[in-house]
Amino acid sequence: DAGITQSPRHKVTETGTPVTLRCHQTENHRYMYWYRQDPGHGLRLIHYSYGVKDTDKGEVSDGYSVSRSKTEDFLLTLESATSSQTSVYFCAISETGRSSSGANVLTFGAGSRLTVL
Amino acid sequence: ILNVEQSPQSLHVQEGDSTNFTCSFPSSNFYALHWYRWETAKSPEALFVMTLNGDEKKKGRISATLNTKEGYSYLYIKGSQPEDSATYLCAISGTYKYIFGTGTRLKVLA
Repeated sequence: DAGITQSPRHKVTETGTPVTLRCHQTENHRYMYWYRQDPGHGLRLIHYSYGVKDTDKGEVSDGYSVSRSKTEDFLLTLESATSSQTSVYFCAISETGRSSSGANVLTFGAGSRLTVL
Repeated sequence: ILNVEQSPQSLHVQEGDSTNFTCSFPSSNFYALHWYRWETAKSPEALFVMTLNGDEKKKGRISATLNTKEGYSYLYIKGSQPEDSATYLCAISGTYKYIFGTGTRLKVLA
């Protein structure tokens, strides 16, 4: 069990307000990810982190920022939420040793449903 | 930009039918191919990860194959059951970056 906790699990907010989603892991995994899930698009990578203070953009990073000041926490911030950011957000960590092939495997948190009115 | 394509987008099968889906990906810059099962209102769960051309993996009634030279993977479900209803996601990865397809949504009718 990778011990991934996302908070909040549900949030309703208004356009223009800032929102921060938190992903917390308990096993010191180096790589952490934020994805969003939208109908017809599957999972799209927003940002990822490869260590404390080391982050990089994914394919849909506009309007989002991230921070990782501690190994266990990866924060996703919407500085000024828009209706197009209504989505379900999944945090994931990349685990080694879970596959016989040696490749890393993503393990996901339970998701955070964000509605921007 | 790497593109992962899955087909069909969705399908309905009768209980007991066998079915299969396809994942296509660029055959260059390949490290690993992943299959995930994603039930409604839950988070995706890893089914298989494969790295070598010709790899085959099996878990119960579900199996997968990999062809890295032509850039495709098949997922097979034998004797589908209603509990197999889910979205099946395919992803390719490098050492730490994962790109997902849009998934195949399977509905098994009792």
